[in-house]
Amino acid sequence: DTGVSQNPRHKITKRGQNVTFRCDPISEHNRLYWYRQTLGQGPEFLTYFQNEAQLEKSRLLSDRFSAERPKGSFSTLEIQRTEQGDSAMYLCASSRVHRSSYNEQFFGPGTRLTVL
Amino acid sequence: GNSVTQMEGPVTLSEEAFLTINCTYTATGYPSLFWYVQYPGEGLQLLLKATKADDKGSNKGFEATYRKETTSFHLEKGSVQVSDSAVYFCALSKDDKIIFGKGTRLHILP
Repeated sequence: DTGVSQNPRHKITKRGQNVTFRCDPISEHNRLYWYRQTLGQGPEFLTYFQNEAQLEKSRLLSDRFSAERPKGSFSTLEIQRTEQGDSAMYLCASSRVHRSSYNEQFFGPGTRLTVL
Repeated sequence: GNSVTQMEGPVTLSEEAFLTINCTYTATGYPSLFWYVQYPGEGLQLLLKATKADDKGSNKGFEATYRKETTSFHLEKGSVQVSDSAVYFCALSKDDKIIFGKGTRLHILP
């Protein structure tokens, strides 16, 4: 399977702990996105990378959140000092930039975070 | 700002019924419009898309037409199946990110 993969699929942690999620995009895709989806809501954009450069961050991404894509391939999303409000599904997507105006994003299965 | 509003669910229909899920958007310029589907236990999948006004996206018997004059992108299917039970998200793409609606859960009864 050559789709977007995310690990772990589920993470349960205690409030105050740090967590890190990983996303492996489709291999030839140069853009990688992170979204967060809370219960009963649609996904919300958090940040995205083109190759290793982080091009935009949402104001939803507080200073407890950090994302990296060090070699332009996989990406990690770290949440420090987790809070119960961080409980959500974290989705990763990737796309390949074309000259046309539309770049289809392919989504991974997500990492479900539960903060106790 | 850019936003998407879609009808709230859940929507419950009998098999072979006609489906409409309404979606309207607010955006500057000319966004691309999408419907994504999330089947139980699976990731988001692109169902169909339209990139300019009057385009019709279609896939798996579903259709949606990009209506600029009414800023709408309603999803329709003539005869639903039990396997169509899922959550459907209307979305727009602007400035390289996707903005989603809240989703509409669809239940199809046999």
